[in-house]
Amino acid sequence: EDQVTQSPEALRLQEGESSSLNCSYTVSGLRGLFWYRQDPGKGPEFLFTLYSAGEEKEKERLKATLTKKESFLHITAPKPEDSATYLCAVQETYGNTPLVFGKGTRLSVIA
Amino acid sequence: DSGVTQTPKHLITATGQRVTLRCSPRSGDLSVYWYQQSLDQGLQFLIHYYNGEERAKGNILERFSAQQFPDLHSELNLSSLELGDSALYFCASSVGLLAGGEGEQFFGPGTRLTVL
Repeated sequence: EDQVTQSPEALRLQEGESSSLNCSYTVSGLRGLFWYRQDPGKGPEFLFTLYSAGEEKEKERLKATLTKKESFLHITAPKPEDSATYLCAVQETYGNTPLVFGKGTRLSVIA
Repeated sequence: DSGVTQTPKHLITATGQRVTLRCSPRSGDLSVYWYQQSLDQGLQFLIHYYNGEERAKGNILERFSAQQFPDLHSELNLSSLELGDSALYFCASSVGLLAGGEGEQFFGPGTRLTVL
């Protein structure tokens, strides 16, 4: 069973059309949930870390929120340059456990 | 630019061969992580080193090995290569021992390995 599930797999938006990406997770205890952006052929770029339910973080047109079972990445009035794959990762509380990544949401923003 | 460097950017080799991928972490980061990314599997954790010591292993094949040197750079050695080893290999670094809570991971640009 996947620990991290992202939906949708792909999303196509018109420029300015706001939407949300979902990351649901199943871990016994959450140390942190991470959002990354990945452009084709490049390494993931760190965006946010969320630690506890109710926490929110914002950066430009992106806002990440966290509940006990899922996280949302809200994209407000997206631009074509926001097109990328957005990856979610979780780390469990106990021990030195590695990050577990979801398979990502591929976002395309059309002008 | 994350501050993490990886060489080479591209590597094309034949089945059965051995290659070495190199990673230099961000200045001040003591942890180095290696990941494999393929189209169908997504980003898979391979191994974690902290200040020269192995700290965690993921689904790393026995044909693969890694080490972190005193200057903190790391190398990932892949041997007896198979077609299925073709993938993007990423290195990431963080300040502390633990990936979360003590520092987010910052990724390098990756090495694209093609096994023919």
